[in-house]
Amino acid sequence: QQPVQSPQAVILREGEDAVINCSSSKALYSVHWYRQKHGEAPVFLMILLKGGEQKGHDKISASFNEKKQQSSLYLTASQLSYSGTYFCGTDLFGNEKLTFGTGTRLTIIP
Amino acid sequence: DGGITQSPKYLFRKEGQNVTLSCEQNLNHDAMYWYRQDPGQGLRLIYYSQIVNDFQKGDIAEGYSVSREKKESFPLTVTSAQKNPTAFYLCASRHSGLAGSAYEQYFGPGTRLTVT
Repeated sequence: QQPVQSPQAVILREGEDAVINCSSSKALYSVHWYRQKHGEAPVFLMILLKGGEQKGHDKISASFNEKKQQSSLYLTASQLSYSGTYFCGTDLFGNEKLTFGTGTRLTIIP
Repeated sequence: DGGITQSPKYLFRKEGQNVTLSCEQNLNHDAMYWYRQDPGQGLRLIYYSQIVNDFQKGDIAEGYSVSREKKESFPLTVTSAQKNPTAFYLCASRHSGLAGSAYEQYFGPGTRLTVT
């Protein structure tokens, strides 16, 4: 079952904040977040395991709400380099077989 | 430098021909994956392998085949049975570690296949 990402696209000015959501209809073992620039390979951001743990580095953080089966990615004080498409990948059983959402396209303008 | 290599970067084939995409990793990872990405879409899993000489079908395996004879290599063959093969193909690998943990997938640069 493919997770649902929202919004599908967002445009921000440099310095603004963004939240990207990833929702599943099934119980999740883990959620993985990646960023992909056009024509390039996805780059790993972070993994969240069930248990509601919040993670972050620099100005990008994420949370996992186990009750809602939803993960949110937070980008604060966005930089031009944050532009790209963000994908969440969900693992239902801990077997590292990920199902990816259709992505959220983030555009940062000066 | 450790990483994943995919070759070629661009590949053109005539309809009805089989084509094999290469994926090699020197990260000593046990698990390897093949994904397909269409414009504006997410990544869809074609096949994955968690150990040498073993692999499992993903969500869209029809028209594709793989082999895993060596830990470092996981080639993907797009057969003539694949009805719409034009896409961006990504290979990934992952460390297999402790149960109860999760590990990131490392992606190769991708191969863009065009079939006409």
